[in-house]
Amino acid sequence: AQSVAQPEDQVNVAEGNPLTVKCTYSVSGNPYLFWYVQYPNRGLQFLLKYITGDNLVKGSYGFEAEFNKSQTSFHLKKPSALVSDSALYFCAVRDYTGAGSYQLTFGKGTKLSVIP
Amino acid sequence: NAGVMQNPRHLVRRRGQEARLRCSPMKGHSHVYWYRQLPEEGLKFMVYLQKENIIDESGMPKERFSAEFPKEGPSILRIQQVVRGDSAAYFCASSPPDRVREKLFFGSGTQLSVL
Repeated sequence: AQSVAQPEDQVNVAEGNPLTVKCTYSVSGNPYLFWYVQYPNRGLQFLLKYITGDNLVKGSYGFEAEFNKSQTSFHLKKPSALVSDSALYFCAVRDYTGAGSYQLTFGKGTKLSVIP
Repeated sequence: NAGVMQNPRHLVRRRGQEARLRCSPMKGHSHVYWYRQLPEEGLKFMVYLQKENIIDESGMPKERFSAEFPKEGPSILRIQQVVRGDSAAYFCASSPPDRVREKLFFGSGTQLSVL
């Protein structure tokens, strides 16, 4: 079984400061990892993904995430937060075993508030 | 290229009625997924369909819930005899056939309220 943990329900950061939203995962095989963002009354929007290759993945709107296999983590980061980054962020994992699990398992989400 | 289209955006039903939620995937996408989001929770996988086939329904409740994706027309998530606990946001997502393990494209969701 695969699972995702987002240990923080809410993260507050001042505008212009760096932000980190934490995510750890558990899979039996190799992970595909994703970050999605959800604005109020909207569907999820894709931010970035890790499939293979470089551990540091760059995505939309200046976000990046670092895959750490030994710590089973995939934290989302941004060097300088904007007020418009305030939203709900979801980490997700899919276990790629080759035979294939098609389920994308989401964490419970972290609400990011960027304070002007 | 229109995104994933879901309708209605809001659906109100009384207990015991039926709810039908529709999802039209992005053009060229033949894989559809349904997820349910309860307040203060993440998205929970319900079902994965391809045209005319249910691939994985392991997240669907055993009773009252069904899903289809016919050869023509949108995917339908059907909830019979709704109860208050069915109140949630239901999201549909789609992916192209050659990239099923990669990113999903989500619709804006249907908010189901059961009175």
